[in-house]
Amino acid sequence: GAVVSQHPSWVICKSGTSVKIECRSLDFQATTMFWYRQFPKQSLMLMATSNEGSKATYEQGVEKDKFLINHASLTLSTLTVTSAHPEDSSFYICSAHTSGGRNEQFFGPGTRLTVL
Amino acid sequence: AQSVTQLGSHVSVSEGALVLLRCNYSSSVPPYLFWYVQYPNQGLQLLLKYTSAATLVKGINGFEAEFKKSETSFHLTKPSAHMSDAAEYFCAVSEGNNNDMRFGAGTRLTVKP
Repeated sequence: GAVVSQHPSWVICKSGTSVKIECRSLDFQATTMFWYRQFPKQSLMLMATSNEGSKATYEQGVEKDKFLINHASLTLSTLTVTSAHPEDSSFYICSAHTSGGRNEQFFGPGTRLTVL
Repeated sequence: AQSVTQLGSHVSVSEGALVLLRCNYSSSVPPYLFWYVQYPNQGLQLLLKYTSAATLVKGINGFEAEFKKSETSFHLTKPSAHMSDAAEYFCAVSEGNNNDMRFGAGTRLTVKP
């Protein structure tokens, strides 16, 4: 099946710094990638939809200036958490949608962010 | 907008017993429905999906789910639970060609020996 990777798998940073998380589709092209956030013992919440070559669409309540998304190619989307604070600590999961009409998302393994 | 409700945040069964995890959906158009499993500190693994073909969908690891339009349900079942089935299970819905997927709150399955 299709493989989606995320890097890094975990990161610890100091408050006020920025962290970049990469999401790659390894063996297929993804015109659309999604970014989710999952707090401990909670469900995934969609943060934004990222389309290659265009601006991301953010869900209500998600600060676009804080969570910068760049979908520069058909295999790579990045999420940058700017000026991270402890409340941004979470599990961030990306998914990639196959181009060509199949309505299926393939999920990455997630990135655990801890902000001290 | 589409949504799903998972009844029961925690389900506990004995090894060998029937597993039933409930999911009800809301959608303004014919839905695509999914069940995912998540093990601790890992990403999501697709168990099965319904995409308007057969209403009884068979997935991996012996799981299956039945789409019931009249009940707006898509419950997940497995005839005999195994210890390795202990995990968090998420039901999700997307509306047709709209790729936006919404997740339920999740159900934690515990399997007792």
